Amino acid sequence: AQKITQTQPGMFVQEKEAVTLDCTYDTSDQSYGLFWYKQPSSGEMIFLIYQGSYDEQNATEGRYSLNFQKARKSANLVISASQLGDSAMYFCAMRVSNAGGTSYGKLTFGQGTILTVHP
Amino acid sequence: DTEVTQTPKHLVMGMTNKKSLKCEQHMGHRAMYWYKQKAKKPPELMFVYSYEKLSINESVPSRFSPECPNSSLLNLHLHALQPEDSALYLCASSPHLGNTEAFFGQGTRLTVV
Repeated sequence: AQKITQTQPGMFVQEKEAVTLDCTYDTSDQSYGLFWYKQPSSGEMIFLIYQGSYDEQNATEGRYSLNFQKARKSANLVISASQLGDSAMYFCAMRVSNAGGTSYGKLTFGQGTILTVHP
Repeated sequence: DTEVTQTPKHLVMGMTNKKSLKCEQHMGHRAMYWYKQKAKKPPELMFVYSYEKLSINESVPSRFSPECPNSSLLNLHLHALQPEDSALYLCASSPHLGNTEAFFGQGTRLTVV
Protein backbone atom coordinates (compact mmCIF):
# COMPACT_ATOMS: atom_id res chain seq x y z
CA ALA A 1 0.00 0.00 0.00
CA GLN A 2 1.09 3.54 -0.67
CA LYS A 3 1.36 6.25 1.92
CA ILE A 4 1.98 9.98 1.59
CA THR A 5 2.97 12.09 4.58
CA GLN A 6 2.85 15.87 4.76
CA THR A 7 4.07 16.92 8.20
CA GLN A 8 3.35 20.65 7.96
CA PRO A 9 -0.31 21.42 8.66
CA GLY A 10 0.32 25.11 8.00
CA MET A 11 3.08 27.26 6.56
CA PHE A 12 3.56 31.03 6.37
CA VAL A 13 5.72 32.90 3.90
CA GLN A 14 6.35 36.53 3.06
CA GLU A 15 5.38 37.69 -0.40
CA LYS A 16 8.24 37.35 -2.95
CA GLU A 17 10.11 34.83 -0.82
CA ALA A 18 10.56 31.13 -1.54
CA VAL A 19 8.89 28.38 0.47
CA THR A 20 9.34 24.60 0.63
CA LEU A 21 6.44 22.26 1.34
CA ASP A 22 7.49 18.84 2.57
CA CYS A 23 6.28 15.48 1.31
CA THR A 24 7.53 11.99 2.04
CA TYR A 25 6.12 8.80 0.60
CA ASP A 26 6.26 5.09 1.07
CA THR A 27 5.72 2.41 -1.54
CA SER A 28 7.20 -0.94 -2.48
CA ASP A 29 6.57 -0.31 -6.18
CA GLN A 30 9.50 0.72 -8.35
CA SER A 31 7.44 2.64 -10.87
CA TYR A 32 5.34 5.49 -9.56
CA GLY A 33 4.48 9.11 -10.10
CA LEU A 34 4.44 11.97 -7.64
CA PHE A 35 2.14 14.95 -8.03
CA TRP A 36 1.44 18.25 -6.36
CA TYR A 37 -1.96 19.90 -6.44
CA LYS A 38 -3.14 23.30 -5.23
CA GLN A 39 -6.65 23.70 -3.85
CA PRO A 40 -7.87 27.28 -3.29
CA SER A 41 -10.88 27.96 -1.10
CA SER A 42 -13.08 27.66 -4.21
CA GLY A 43 -12.48 23.91 -4.10
CA GLU A 44 -10.97 23.19 -7.50
CA MET A 45 -7.95 20.89 -7.42
CA ILE A 46 -5.29 22.43 -9.67
CA PHE A 47 -2.47 20.25 -11.00
CA LEU A 48 0.93 21.89 -10.47
CA ILE A 49 3.78 19.50 -11.18
CA TYR A 50 4.66 15.84 -11.80
CA GLN A 51 7.76 13.73 -11.14
CA GLY A 52 8.19 10.18 -12.37
CA SER A 53 10.16 7.71 -10.28
CA TYR A 54 12.63 7.12 -13.11
CA ASP A 55 13.11 10.78 -13.95
CA GLU A 56 16.67 11.80 -13.17
CA GLN A 57 16.07 15.52 -13.37
CA ASN A 58 13.93 17.39 -10.87
CA ALA A 59 10.70 18.62 -12.43
CA THR A 60 10.12 22.34 -12.85
CA GLU A 61 7.06 24.29 -13.99
CA GLY A 62 7.43 28.04 -13.87
CA ARG A 63 7.74 29.07 -10.21
CA TYR A 64 7.23 25.50 -9.03
CA SER A 65 9.98 22.96 -8.70
CA LEU A 66 10.01 19.52 -7.17
CA ASN A 67 13.00 18.51 -5.06
CA PHE A 68 13.00 14.75 -5.63
CA GLN A 69 15.25 12.66 -3.39
CA LYS A 70 14.48 9.06 -4.23
CA ALA A 71 16.69 7.44 -1.58
CA ARG A 72 15.01 9.51 1.10
CA LYS A 73 11.59 9.00 -0.49
CA SER A 74 10.88 12.69 -0.44
CA ALA A 75 9.29 14.96 -3.03
CA ASN A 76 9.24 18.49 -1.66
CA LEU A 77 7.58 21.33 -3.54
CA VAL A 78 9.48 24.59 -3.81
CA ILE A 79 7.55 27.72 -4.71
CA SER A 80 9.78 30.64 -5.65
CA ALA A 81 8.80 34.31 -5.47
CA SER A 82 5.57 33.67 -3.55
CA GLN A 83 2.49 35.63 -4.52
CA LEU A 84 -0.65 36.42 -2.53
CA GLY A 85 -2.59 34.17 -4.90
CA ASP A 86 -0.48 31.20 -3.79
CA SER A 87 -2.38 31.10 -0.49
CA ALA A 88 -4.20 27.76 -0.63
CA MET A 89 -4.13 24.14 0.51
CA TYR A 90 -1.40 22.08 -1.18
CA PHE A 91 -1.61 18.32 -1.57
CA CYS A 92 1.12 15.88 -2.44
CA ALA A 93 -0.12 12.72 -4.17
CA MET A 94 1.24 9.49 -5.56
CA ARG A 95 0.12 6.99 -8.15
CA VAL A 96 1.73 3.59 -8.74
CA SER A 97 2.15 2.24 -12.24
CA ASN A 98 1.99 -1.47 -11.49
CA ALA A 99 -0.70 -2.57 -13.90
CA GLY A 100 -2.83 -5.35 -12.54
CA GLY A 101 -2.26 -4.48 -8.90
CA THR A 102 -5.28 -3.68 -6.78
CA SER A 103 -4.13 -0.08 -6.42
CA TYR A 104 -3.44 0.46 -10.09
CA GLY A 105 -4.67 3.88 -11.07
CA LYS A 106 -5.36 5.01 -7.54
CA LEU A 107 -4.14 8.50 -6.70
CA THR A 108 -3.31 8.66 -2.98
CA PHE A 109 -3.16 12.04 -1.26
CA GLY A 110 -1.31 13.35 1.77
CA GLN A 111 -3.10 15.34 4.49
CA GLY A 112 -2.23 18.66 2.90
CA THR A 113 -0.47 21.85 3.94
CA ILE A 114 -2.24 25.20 4.19
CA LEU A 115 0.04 27.90 2.82
CA THR A 116 -0.55 31.52 3.77
CA VAL A 117 1.33 34.25 1.94
CA HIS A 118 1.68 37.53 3.85
CA PRO A 119 2.04 40.87 2.06
CA ASP B 1 -7.96 22.21 -23.05
CA THR B 2 -7.60 20.56 -19.65
CA GLU B 3 -11.15 21.12 -18.53
CA VAL B 4 -13.30 18.80 -16.50
CA THR B 5 -16.81 20.18 -16.05
CA GLN B 6 -18.99 19.24 -13.12
CA THR B 7 -22.63 20.10 -12.63
CA PRO B 8 -24.26 21.27 -10.51
CA LYS B 9 -21.77 23.36 -8.53
CA HIS B 10 -24.00 23.28 -5.45
CA LEU B 11 -26.72 20.84 -4.45
CA VAL B 12 -28.99 20.66 -1.41
CA MET B 13 -31.04 17.50 -1.12
CA GLY B 14 -33.26 15.81 1.42
CA MET B 15 -32.56 12.34 2.71
CA THR B 16 -35.39 10.87 0.63
CA ASN B 17 -34.43 12.57 -2.62
CA LYS B 18 -32.80 11.09 -5.69
CA LYS B 19 -30.30 13.29 -7.51
CA SER B 20 -27.38 12.91 -9.88
CA LEU B 21 -24.00 14.57 -10.23
CA LYS B 22 -22.58 14.94 -13.71
CA CYS B 23 -18.99 15.12 -14.93
CA GLU B 24 -17.82 15.70 -18.49
CA GLN B 25 -14.45 15.90 -20.21
CA HIS B 26 -13.50 16.22 -23.88
CA MET B 27 -9.79 15.53 -23.62
CA GLY B 28 -10.10 11.96 -24.88
CA HIS B 29 -9.21 10.61 -21.45
CA ARG B 30 -10.15 6.98 -20.83
CA ALA B 31 -9.93 6.98 -17.03
CA MET B 32 -12.38 8.88 -14.83
CA TYR B 33 -12.69 9.14 -11.06
CA TRP B 34 -15.04 10.19 -8.27
CA TYR B 35 -13.57 11.54 -5.04
CA LYS B 36 -15.27 12.70 -1.85
CA GLN B 37 -13.67 15.46 0.20
CA LYS B 38 -14.58 16.70 3.66
CA ALA B 39 -13.49 20.14 4.81
CA LYS B 40 -9.74 20.47 5.44
CA LYS B 41 -9.19 16.79 4.59
CA PRO B 42 -7.63 15.14 1.53
CA PRO B 43 -9.85 13.73 -1.20
CA GLU B 44 -10.89 10.13 -0.70
CA LEU B 45 -11.26 7.91 -3.74
CA MET B 46 -14.71 6.47 -4.32
CA PHE B 47 -14.73 4.97 -7.84
CA VAL B 48 -12.45 4.56 -10.83
CA TYR B 49 -13.58 3.87 -14.38
CA SER B 50 -11.24 2.72 -17.11
CA TYR B 51 -12.53 2.48 -20.69
CA GLU B 52 -16.08 2.85 -19.36
CA LYS B 53 -15.71 -0.14 -17.05
CA LEU B 54 -15.68 0.11 -13.26
CA SER B 55 -12.10 -0.58 -12.18
CA ILE B 56 -12.10 0.34 -8.48
CA ASN B 57 -14.93 0.63 -5.96
CA GLU B 58 -13.53 1.67 -2.59
CA SER B 59 -16.29 -0.09 -0.64
CA VAL B 60 -18.65 2.82 -1.17
CA PRO B 61 -22.21 2.42 0.23
CA SER B 62 -24.79 1.45 -2.36
CA ARG B 63 -26.64 4.75 -1.91
CA PHE B 64 -23.92 6.05 -4.26
CA SER B 65 -24.23 4.56 -7.73
CA PRO B 66 -21.73 5.49 -10.46
CA GLU B 67 -22.38 5.30 -14.17
CA CYS B 68 -20.14 5.85 -17.17
CA PRO B 69 -22.40 5.99 -20.24
CA ASN B 70 -19.56 6.91 -22.61
CA SER B 71 -15.91 7.88 -22.56
CA SER B 72 -16.66 11.57 -21.97
CA LEU B 73 -19.29 11.34 -19.29
CA LEU B 74 -19.39 10.16 -15.70
CA ASN B 75 -22.42 10.31 -13.43
CA LEU B 76 -22.90 9.73 -9.73
CA HIS B 77 -26.46 8.82 -8.77
CA LEU B 78 -27.45 9.63 -5.21
CA HIS B 79 -30.31 8.07 -3.28
CA ALA B 80 -31.29 8.05 0.39
CA LEU B 81 -28.20 9.92 1.50
CA GLN B 82 -27.34 10.76 5.10
CA PRO B 83 -26.28 14.16 6.49
CA GLU B 84 -22.74 12.81 6.92
CA ASP B 85 -22.56 12.42 3.13
CA SER B 86 -22.43 16.21 2.87
CA ALA B 87 -19.08 16.99 1.25
CA LEU B 88 -17.35 18.28 -1.86
CA TYR B 89 -17.55 15.67 -4.64
CA LEU B 90 -14.72 15.92 -7.11
CA CYS B 91 -14.54 14.32 -10.52
CA ALA B 92 -11.21 13.77 -12.27
CA SER B 93 -9.94 12.29 -15.51
CA SER B 94 -6.59 11.12 -16.84
CA PRO B 95 -5.44 9.72 -20.20
CA HIS B 96 -5.31 6.24 -18.68
CA LEU B 97 -4.68 4.56 -15.33
CA GLY B 98 -0.90 4.71 -15.61
CA ASN B 99 1.55 7.37 -14.54
CA THR B 100 -0.17 10.46 -15.80
CA GLU B 101 -1.57 13.49 -14.06
CA ALA B 102 -5.25 13.62 -13.26
CA PHE B 103 -7.23 16.77 -13.99
CA PHE B 104 -10.00 17.70 -11.61
CA GLY B 105 -13.27 19.53 -12.00
CA GLN B 106 -14.37 22.33 -9.68
CA GLY B 107 -16.48 19.93 -7.65
CA THR B 108 -20.07 19.79 -6.47
CA ARG B 109 -20.71 20.98 -2.91
CA LEU B 110 -23.40 18.65 -1.63
CA THR B 111 -25.49 19.32 1.47
CA VAL B 112 -27.85 16.65 2.72
CA VAL B 113 -30.60 17.96 5.00
